[in-house]
Amino acid sequence: NAGVTQTPKFRILKIGQSMTLQCAQDMNHNYMYWYRQDPGMGLKLIYYSVGAGITDKGEVPNGYNVSRSTTEDFPLRLELAAPSQTSVYFCASRAGTSPEGYTFGSGTRLTVV
Amino acid sequence: GNSVTQMEGPVTLSEEAFLTINCTYTATGYPSLFWYVQYPGEGLQLLLKATKADDKGSNKGFEATYRKETTSFHLEKGSVQVSDSAVYFCALGNFNKFYFGSGTKLNVKP
Repeated sequence: NAGVTQTPKFRILKIGQSMTLQCAQDMNHNYMYWYRQDPGMGLKLIYYSVGAGITDKGEVPNGYNVSRSTTEDFPLRLELAAPSQTSVYFCASRAGTSPEGYTFGSGTRLTVV
Repeated sequence: GNSVTQMEGPVTLSEEAFLTINCTYTATGYPSLFWYVQYPGEGLQLLLKATKADDKGSNKGFEATYRKETTSFHLEKGSVQVSDSAVYFCALGNFNKFYFGSGTKLNVKP
């Protein structure tokens, strides 16, 4: 099925470990986004990309890195994981600059202990 | 700047009751407005949208009207069902970015 695929769905990290959250979309969308959703809270933008090779910071970029080498993939890298990064991470994509909504992935639930 | 403010939840209703979830916004330019729904354990799904003033978005019995004069986009449904229990997010899309409200949890009891 077309859409946004996130892996893994769940992960437990120890403090100081690193990992990459994968995100892939097969809709040929130019725009891709990473959000985090803390318990009982809304979404906060971490990073976004308007096309391959172009990325930019959102509201809460510290502790994260991204790359966009292809239109399809937008991985999020956590370096030196901290308990404050315990959250649910959502990847989303959108086509162009038209007033279309996002397509969201099903999320990655990350716990840092 | 751009921001979205939603009424705090949770909202608890009995089945077949009328639903209103308030959403107001501040924005530069001419944003598009959206309602997303998040069912437990899932990602957000687009529920409805409106792209200009006085537009009405509708889907699955839910409606919202883009009111520029009151900067509002309130979500309504005439008769809620237990299956409508979820978290609802109001969002504003402007240029390359979206801005989400904090979400309103709806609980519908049989």
